[in-house]
Amino acid sequence: DVKVTQSSRYLVKRTGEKVFLECVQDMDHENMFWYRQDPGLGLRLIYFSYDVKMKEKGDIPEGYSVSREKKERFSLILESASTNQTSMYLCASKSLQPYNSPLHFGNGTRLTVT
Amino acid sequence: AQSVAQPEDQVNVAEGNPLTVKCTYSVSGNPYLFWYVQYPNRGLQFLLKYITGDNLVKGSYGFEAEFNKSQTSFHLKKPSALVSDSALYFCAVRDMSLEGNYQLIWGAGTKLIIKP
Repeated sequence: DVKVTQSSRYLVKRTGEKVFLECVQDMDHENMFWYRQDPGLGLRLIYFSYDVKMKEKGDIPEGYSVSREKKERFSLILESASTNQTSMYLCASKSLQPYNSPLHFGNGTRLTVT
Repeated sequence: AQSVAQPEDQVNVAEGNPLTVKCTYSVSGNPYLFWYVQYPNRGLQFLLKYITGDNLVKGSYGFEAEFNKSQTSFHLKKPSALVSDSALYFCAVRDMSLEGNYQLIWGAGTKLIIKP
């Protein structure tokens, strides 16, 4: 079974702090994604990566950056955390082929910014 | 614009009864449709997908979904609900406007509550 591991289940940070959310997958997937989940809004894509050192902006990249130095690890960085970034963050990975193979999700990190 | 709608925020069903969770979509071209489930305090899990072929798709945990092109719908169904089916369900469609890229457009989610 594919395993996507997010390093923290719960995080509490102060406004202005730099925050790192880590995600590791163990299936050699090329594609990795960061979403945030808010009630009534579904999942919104923050950033995605199709391969090592590659990154693409999603729908809501403002205030975030990412890093993919190794294939198995995709990090989400909040440069200066703000209260409106309080949310559930979900990491996902997917193999390149077959093209419509499903996403595999981590259990999420619930971030609270105070 | 491409979109996915889940018209019900919450669906309540008695255990043993059939359940339906609704999803409609708007995309250009042929749709690639997906259902995912999220149990409390967990990430999302893939349930089933429609890419092409038979309009009735069977998936995990006894769920199935019916693709209806004329009604642009992809409703999730199960003949007999279990209390353990209580969860948050998401419908998604592949964003066909992005050639070569793989992104999904997500519905807002429907909370399914199965009462004993």
